[in-house]
Amino acid sequence: EVQLVESGGGLVQPGGSLRLSCAASGFTVSTNYMNWVRQAPGKGLEWVSVIYSGGSTYYADSVKGRFIISRDNSKNTLYLQMNSLRAEDTAVYYCARVRGSYLNWYFDLWGRGTLVTVSS
Amino acid sequence: SYVLTQPPSVSVAPGQTATIPCGGNNIGSKHVHWYQQKPGQAPVLVVYEDSGRPSGIPERFSGSKSGNTATLTITRVEAGDEADYYCQVWDTTSDHPRDVFGTGTKVTVL
Repeated sequence: EVQLVESGGGLVQPGGSLRLSCAASGFTVSTNYMNWVRQAPGKGLEWVSVIYSGGSTYYADSVKGRFIISRDNSKNTLYLQMNSLRAEDTAVYYCARVRGSYLNWYFDLWGRGTLVTVSS
Repeated sequence: SYVLTQPPSVSVAPGQTATIPCGGNNIGSKHVHWYQQKPGQAPVLVVYEDSGRPSGIPERFSGSKSGNTATLTITRVEAGDEADYYCQVWDTTSDHPRDVFGTGTKVTVL
């Protein structure tokens, strides 16, 4: 079955760190463009980061310099290392796969999400 | 940064048609995609590349685009269509490509 399963969320203090994982099955992470998208409580969707199949990475301005997206090809898993966390980073974090023509991509597969709460 | 604007809410009676607009500068030059999100669930793609419909999505869902507005249309609305709907494009005007979601529209079935 083709699916994405996130893990690693939880409660962390402001300034702390957390690493999210997204285990893929039924397809290969390294040959796809993979993303993290988040949703703060009661708010809309916000794109966070993308890693291209070639390894290039890009970030939303709100997380640039604090978050790092990566993958482990041997584990077929996507990661998001989150450092210097702030209260405004509190959200459900989804991993999502991209499809479509270059720069007209859409998210065809989503995980169920993992909740990150940043609070003292 | 690129902005996609949607009305916060749309109300529709069962069996009627819901139309959800998504406005953005020069949106005609981009492919627009639409997602449905029910409470506590991950988003689900309902329209891709302006008017394509993924496998398993009812024909009642359709997309179109005219001028600076893309539109998601849901015909013969059912109670199960009650959800939040988001449009999405990739912004290529910034220093690097970045994804942009619309502000979201809550569809209420009366």
